[in-house]
This record gives sequence, C-alpha cells and structure tokens, in this order.
Amino acid sequence: AQSVTQLDSQVPVFEEAPVELRCNYSSSVSVYLFWYVQYPNQGLQLLLKYLSGSTLVKGINGFEAEFNKSQTSFHLRKPSVHISDTAEYFCAVSEVGGTNAGKSTFGDGTTLTVKP
Amino acid sequence: EPEVTQTPSHQVTQMGQEVILRCVPISNHLYFYWYRQILGQKVEFLVSFYNNEISEKSEIFDDQFSVERPDGSNFTLKIRSTKLEDSAMYFCASSDYRDQPQHFGDGTRLSIL
Repeated sequence: AQSVTQLDSQVPVFEEAPVELRCNYSSSVSVYLFWYVQYPNQGLQLLLKYLSGSTLVKGINGFEAEFNKSQTSFHLRKPSVHISDTAEYFCAVSEVGGTNAGKSTFGDGTTLTVKP
Repeated sequence: EPEVTQTPSHQVTQMGQEVILRCVPISNHLYFYWYRQILGQKVEFLVSFYNNEISEKSEIFDDQFSVERPDGSNFTLKIRSTKLEDSAMYFCASSDYRDQPQHFGDGTRLSIL
C-alpha cells in the first residue's frame, strides 16, 4: 500500500524568506506525485505534479519541487514567500498501475504561516 | 482549462436526513472519485467509479453511502441517513484514465446539525 508522510505539521516563516515543505512517500510501484494548496474554507488547488521526465518540476505561484527516487521524497520549495502563501499544503501520491492505481493518498498536511 | 464543478458549495442538513452531493466531472473523463476531509484532518479516499460501477471503495464508504451517474454528465454521492460525524468537506475528482492525474472540484462543505 502507498503512504505519504509530511514531516512538518506547521512551518512558520517570515515574508521573503525561502521555505521548504518536506514530503516522503512509500510505494512498491512507480508513482505520480502532487502538491496541493488549500486556502481557508476553499478547495484543493493543484500546485504542481510529477508524472515522469525531469525530476525538478515547476508549478504555480513560484513553487517548485524535486522528485528524489532514491530518497523517496518530493519536497516543495519556494525561494521567497509572500503573506498570501499562508495556507495548508498537501502532498499526495497516486500509484501507476497496481491495485491502488487511480486512488490518491494524501499526507496529513503542512500549515505554512508567513509572518510580516 | 476544463474544471470539475461541485454543487452546492455548502449543504446544511439535519441528522438522519438524506443528502445528495452533486458533481460534474470533466466531460471526456471516464474515472470518477469522491474524497472526504473532516475539518482539520487529511483528505481521505472514499470511492472510485468507472463504467457505471464502483471499482474501489474504502472502509469509510459503508452501506449508508452510494454513488451514481444518473446521466451523461452528473456524478452524485448520496448519504442515506446522515450522522454528525459525516460533517466534512467532500471533494469530487475525475481523470481520463485510471493511472492519470485526477482533477479535483472545489468541494462541498456538508454540515450535519
């Protein structure tokens, strides 16, 4: 079975500072990886996805993530955050093939709080 | 870009009542999903649906839940007799193939009183 671990439940950071939100996954088959952002009282918005190819993927709002197969990680980064980036961030994995294909498994989420 | 749309955005229902949450998946997609997020918790898989039948369901998806594709565009989640613990945000998602990334709707917030 697949699983996702987001290593930090809360990340406070000052405006214009860099940030990294960590995500590790476990799966016995190849995976797709996703980061979603959820603003208060809103739905899930896809930030970026890794399907195949280049391990560095760029998403919306200046975010990027790097897929590291050997470390089974998919950490999310932004070089300079804004107040408006304050939100909940979810890492998710979907298996390619296998019995769990088509089902996304989410991490517990990381609350990013950007302070002025 | 095509979107998954969900209605209503917020549903308030008395405990014990039936509720139907509606979703319009992306038009050429074939696989449909429901997820649930209890306030402050992670997003959890409920059920996947393909070719007019359930392909997989989680332990959460018990006999009080059902899904249906009543016509060519809608995909619904019915909760027969709602309980307080059904209060959550419910997300619909769709994909064109089983292995392909899912597109999520904005969710329906269900509040059971």
